[in-house]
Amino acid sequence: GQNIDQPTEMTATEGAIVQINCTYQTSGFNGLFWYQQHAGEAPTFLSYNVLDGLEEKGRFSSFLSRSKGYSYLLLKELQMKDSASYLCAVGDSNYQLIWGAGTKLIIKP
Amino acid sequence: DTAVSQTPKYLVTQMGNDKSIKCEQNLGHDTMYWYKQDSKKFLKIMFSYNNKELIINETVPNRFSPKSPDKAHLNLHINSLELGDSAVYFCASSQDLRELIYEQYFGPGTRLTVT
Repeated sequence: GQNIDQPTEMTATEGAIVQINCTYQTSGFNGLFWYQQHAGEAPTFLSYNVLDGLEEKGRFSSFLSRSKGYSYLLLKELQMKDSASYLCAVGDSNYQLIWGAGTKLIIKP
Repeated sequence: DTAVSQTPKYLVTQMGNDKSIKCEQNLGHDTMYWYKQDSKKFLKIMFSYNNKELIINETVPNRFSPKSPDKAHLNLHINSLELGDSAVYFCASSQDLRELIYEQYFGPGTRLTVT
């Protein structure tokens, strides 16, 4: 079957760095996405990885290792507004996105 | 201008009723989707439409039927609503489904409550 695993909840301190991990098992691989979803709102796109390595975009970076079926999202200089759920999604062989349940990130002052 | 819009934002109805949710995108995208997000926050794909053709139809009950009058619209009609249909339904769109996966743009969601 197809499966995306990520921690349910994480807590971090304002100004710190946090890494959110995602492991996946899918039928085929056509890229990995990270989305941010604030409570009561729609998911919004953060990053896309299709090749191994690190993609950096401002305070956010995303890493992919296809051989390990593993990705992480790195958030630096955390701000209170970063409190949200972070969803990992993988494109399978049918170009369909398989979604994880999301990691709820709580930022404390 | 809103890129992907859905109406209504909230929908409260009784079991057995029939309801529709409308979705429109003004991004010129070729593919539109309907997702269901349950209380555990899993996003599950229900339907995808590419150029007015249904291309993915997950194992959803046939009480759910997508209707696409044109490339910019994908409506969701639900017959004989059940308690388990209570969830947030998101419409989304992307540039193209074939060959490559593009980022998806989501509507604000419709919170459906069946009583």
